[in-house]
Amino acid sequence: GEDVEQSLFLSVREGDSSVINCTYTDSSSTYLYWYKQEPGAGLQLLTYIFSNMDMKQDQRLTVLLNKKDKHLSLRIADTQTGDSAIYFCSYSSQGNLIFGKGTKLSVKP
Amino acid sequence: NAGVTQTPKFQVLKTGQSMTLQCAQDMNHEYMSWYRQDPGMGLRLIHYSVGAGITDQGEVPNGYNVSRSTTEDFPLRLLSAAPSQTSVYFCASSYSGQVGPGANVLTFGAGSRLTVL
Repeated sequence: GEDVEQSLFLSVREGDSSVINCTYTDSSSTYLYWYKQEPGAGLQLLTYIFSNMDMKQDQRLTVLLNKKDKHLSLRIADTQTGDSAIYFCSYSSQGNLIFGKGTKLSVKP
Repeated sequence: NAGVTQTPKFQVLKTGQSMTLQCAQDMNHEYMSWYRQDPGMGLRLIHYSVGAGITDQGEVPNGYNVSRSTTEDFPLRLLSAAPSQTSVYFCASSYSGQVGPGANVLTFGAGSRLTVL
């Protein structure tokens, strides 16, 4: 079945790196996504990776994909208080996006 | 540049009451969907539509109806509200159901918080 697993909470200090992990069951998706939800708001696309890539870097963000293990991770370098949010791992299945439960990132000053 | 507009932002209902959550987008997106977000459950797909006149069920459709008479609007109806429907509801849209980078990425509304007593 369709399933995306993420740890629910992560706490880091400002300036440290954050790593949010995700495992998924359906390997047929062409793209995998990370969405960010700030308090009281809807989700916004943060970044994505094509399924035949191992890594994608976008400024402070690094996405790693291990397709064999069905493992996706998001690394945020130099984490700032503005990065505090819920991060969702997601993939497409039969035309719809399937989301994980979300990881709440708390950044302490 | 309104994007996806949801109304109302907050609503309190009594068990058994009916209501409609409105969703409108001005981006000419073909694909629209409704998700509900519950603590510890993430986002679950309720219903979706790949174009005007076409709707289909998602993961948790029971207790909800939808229609898509125009490209712009995709209302979600609760015919007889139950406390289990207390949640935050998100409408989202994209150019097509085959999501991909760029223009096919989902655009979300700000959410509608519903409480059923």
